[in-house]
Amino acid sequence: EAQVTQNPRYLITVTGKKLTVTCSQNMNHEYMSWYRQDPGLGLRQIYYSMNVEVTDKGDVPEGYKVSRKEKRNFPLILESPSPNQTSLYFCASSLSNWGGYGYTFGSGTRLTVV
Amino acid sequence: AQTVTQSQPEMSVQEAETVTLSCTYDTSESDYYLFWYKQPPSRQMILVIRQEAYKQQNATENRFSVNFQKAAKSFSLKISDSQLGDAAMYFCAYNTGTASKLTFGTGTRLQVTL
Repeated sequence: EAQVTQNPRYLITVTGKKLTVTCSQNMNHEYMSWYRQDPGLGLRQIYYSMNVEVTDKGDVPEGYKVSRKEKRNFPLILESPSPNQTSLYFCASSLSNWGGYGYTFGSGTRLTVV
Repeated sequence: AQTVTQSQPEMSVQEAETVTLSCTYDTSESDYYLFWYKQPPSRQMILVIRQEAYKQQNATENRFSVNFQKAAKSFSLKISDSQLGDAAMYFCAYNTGTASKLTFGTGTRLQVTL
């Protein structure tokens, strides 16, 4: 089944403890992106990647890191999480950087930082 | 910068009735794409319908159709014969010709009543 897989689905952590949210797609998509969803704000882009080893900042990149060493994987790293990073996170992918394809989304990761 | 506005935080419709969700956007681009995504309680992001800006004909997918008014920069979603399973958060989204950023509105929560 073609899909974007995120793990974990739920995560509770403490301030300052490094964590990684994994994202993997099996559709050979070139483009991948991370979003966070907050009430009243919709979804906002954190980082995106046009292809392997090519990443760039979105609208809210502070406090996050990403890497794209393989085409299928695009992990999101929080080096020192803070409570304001408590949010619902989505990984998404697209066949290419043509905007008309739209995105395929993962099922989301609910992160709570205490 | 492109912006997407959904002015109705919540809407309610009776089963079998028709409801229209509003969306406006701001852009100076001529080539772009518009989307409606549905997010049910499972939180999965599901693509409902897509519209290419260069097409004058409004997109339709079964009970879902759009009213695309390019000059007014308006992109409303009409749901006909509403069903209980239509209850969800609906996001309007915009993308340019390159997929570097899908810009979302803040969402409209649709409630379907018996």
